[in-house]
Amino acid sequence: EVQLVESGGGLVQPGGSLRLSCAASGFTSSSYWMCWVRQAPGKGLEWVGNIKQDGSDKYYVDSVKGRFTISRDNAKNSLYLQMNSLRAEDTAVYYCARVNSWQQLGQGYYYYYMDVWGKGTTVTVSS
Amino acid sequence: DIQMTQSPSSLSASVGDKVTITCRASQSISSYLNWYQQKPGKAPKLLIFAASSLQSGVPSRFSGSGSGTDFTLTISSLQPEDFATYYCQESYTTPVTFGQGTNLEIK
Repeated sequence: EVQLVESGGGLVQPGGSLRLSCAASGFTSSSYWMCWVRQAPGKGLEWVGNIKQDGSDKYYVDSVKGRFTISRDNAKNSLYLQMNSLRAEDTAVYYCARVNSWQQLGQGYYYYYMDVWGKGTTVTVSS
Repeated sequence: DIQMTQSPSSLSASVGDKVTITCRASQSISSYLNWYQQKPGKAPKLLIFAASSLQSGVPSRFSGSGSGTDFTLTISSLQPEDFATYYCQESYTTPVTFGQGTNLEIK
């Protein structure tokens, strides 16, 4: 079964750090871009960032640049999110997701979409 | 950044109804548009990718259309399990952005 399982969430004080993990099973995660998406309580979905198959390219939403770092260990089929200098507004459920792609016949470009999601892990930033 | 605006923000409908949700992008995104369904306390689920391609395992009552800046998600005949929140998401550029969501409630 294709599955993603997040862990590492919890309660942390403002300014603190936390490291989230995402374990992939049922597929070879090294073949896919992977990403993190978060959802603040009662709010919509916000893309946090993504990482290329070999970890050579990473992109982040502006609000976390310089504070969050995405990494991966393909030997362990795992994805990570290191979160530093946490703020109250980082409080959310954090999901990891697989980024899949599809190429229409005869076209030279790919469409990307998040087709496998974990159940999420909750991060609460509060004193 | 590309802004995605969904309408309506909430919608009440009955089982068996046909429902349409609209998503508008702040600039042209070709067909780089995906739709997700999310139920309370659960992770999002992919329904439609590339504006109109149905994800494997998703019932055929769901369909997507549009290109450029205007897109729609249609549910042809609402079933009890379809009451949820729906999000559009563009994958044209980085950062990826989502619409604010449409909450579909039982009338």
